[in-house]
Amino acid sequence: GAVVSQHPSRVICKSGTSVKIECRSLDFQATTMFWYRQFPKQSLMLMATSNEGSKATYEQGVEKDKFLINHASLTLSTLTVTSAHPEDSSFYICSAPRGTEQYFGPGTRLTVT
Amino acid sequence: AQSVAQPEDQVNVAEGNPLTVKCTYSVSGNPYLFWYVQYPNRGLQFLLKYITGDNLVKGSYGFEAEFNKSQTSFHLKKPSALVSDSALYFCAVRDGGGGGFKTIFGAGTRLFVKA
Repeated sequence: GAVVSQHPSRVICKSGTSVKIECRSLDFQATTMFWYRQFPKQSLMLMATSNEGSKATYEQGVEKDKFLINHASLTLSTLTVTSAHPEDSSFYICSAPRGTEQYFGPGTRLTVT
Repeated sequence: AQSVAQPEDQVNVAEGNPLTVKCTYSVSGNPYLFWYVQYPNRGLQFLLKYITGDNLVKGSYGFEAEFNKSQTSFHLKKPSALVSDSALYFCAVRDGGGGGFKTIFGAGTRLFVKA
C-alpha cells in the first residue's frame, strides 16, 4: 500500500534555531501534501497545503514566514520551522492524498528547549 | 466550510461490551467521512471511510460506522470491545463536492476499554 514517511521522527533544537522536517511519498506521486500540527491530547490542526511547483496555502492564523513549506518534487515536501521557540514544540504530521485516500506520515516530535 | 464534532472527550466501556464513538459533521457538498485511530506518540491509522454506497461501512479491526445523512452523523461502532482498542479516535471529513483533499479532523475521543 501507499506509504508516507517523515524524517526525522524526533528532533530537539535550541530556541532561535531552525528545523527542517521532510515528508516523502514513497511509492506514489503527490502534487499536494498537507501539514498538520497536534498539541498533546488535542486534535490535528491543518496548518497548510503544500503544492508542487507553486506556493503553499496556509490556514488562517498560521505564520507563513515562520513555517516555510517547500514542495520540491512530486514526492517530497519540507516544513521548516524558523527561529523556533518553545511554544513551537509539537507533533507535526504530514499527509498525501492518493485517489480518495489520505495517507499519513508517522509524525515528527519537535521539542524546542 | 466543513466541520466535525466529536461530542465526547472520553468513552469508557468494559471489555466484551459494544462501543460507540459519536461523530457529526457539516459540509457544503458531498461528505467524505473517515475514522482514524492514534496510539501514543504514533501517527494516524486509517480505520474506515464512507464515500458513497452502503450506509454501513465495515473497516479494520472489527470496527464499523454508519452514515446517517438526515442526522449528519457517522458514529463508529464495534460489537465487542477489546482492551487493545484503547486509543484516541478521530473522525474526519472532506468535502467531496470540490473541496479538494483538505481534511478536517474532530477533536478526538479517547476510548478506554477496561478488562
